[in-house]
Amino acid sequence: DADVTQTPRNRITKTGKRIMLECSQTKGHDRMYWYRQDPGLGLRLIYYSFDVKDINKGEISDGYSVSRQAQAKFSLSLESAIPNQTALYFCATSDRVSDGYTFGSGTRLTVV
Amino acid sequence: DQQVKQNSPSLSVQEGRISILNCDYTNSMFDYFLWYKKYPAEGPTFLISISSIKDKNEDGRFTVFLNKSAKHLSLHIVPSQPGDSAVYFCAASAVFPAGGTSYGKLTFGQGTILTVHP
Repeated sequence: DADVTQTPRNRITKTGKRIMLECSQTKGHDRMYWYRQDPGLGLRLIYYSFDVKDINKGEISDGYSVSRQAQAKFSLSLESAIPNQTALYFCATSDRVSDGYTFGSGTRLTVV
Repeated sequence: DQQVKQNSPSLSVQEGRISILNCDYTNSMFDYFLWYKKYPAEGPTFLISISSIKDKNEDGRFTVFLNKSAKHLSLHIVPSQPGDSAVYFCAASAVFPAGGTSYGKLTFGQGTILTVHP
């Protein structure tokens, strides 16, 4: 099994729909992150959590929300999807920054 | 406000030659720097890192150089191999002080597509 599992891998949804992307990790790390990747913009931080009771906004949190259900689970929700949220979404986990992040394989989301 | 910039969207080199990927940053609070490699349909994978107390770190064919005064880092791959063809992201964070605005988070550059031709 992968260290970080993201579901679904691909999703097409309609404008205005609510959608949840799920992430689970088996590394036993406290820290989890959600990033989105857009061409020419790299990876941008949406939300992050340093432990189960900690939730923090990243640089592009508008239109998104998260839930940290357990140490191993961190889900990202789009309350009302819009086309400019079409992107590749990555979940990651880490122990210490100096050890680097472990990323999932990504969810490709298309909003039509 | 792009705090980490990779100004070359793409780089093409011949197998066996050196690949040099560059990255600039603006936030003086950054004290830890990492390079990630990404293949299509996969998540980024950690490649090599460097602390701000060093100016060079080597791991096999990969060497990262840090010039703090210029706020510039580079990744050298020698010799380059076709399997190195991927997108490379540089990233920066602040390990100290704990709780600072950049603490514990990675800020990524836009990425550089490296193509190594046989």
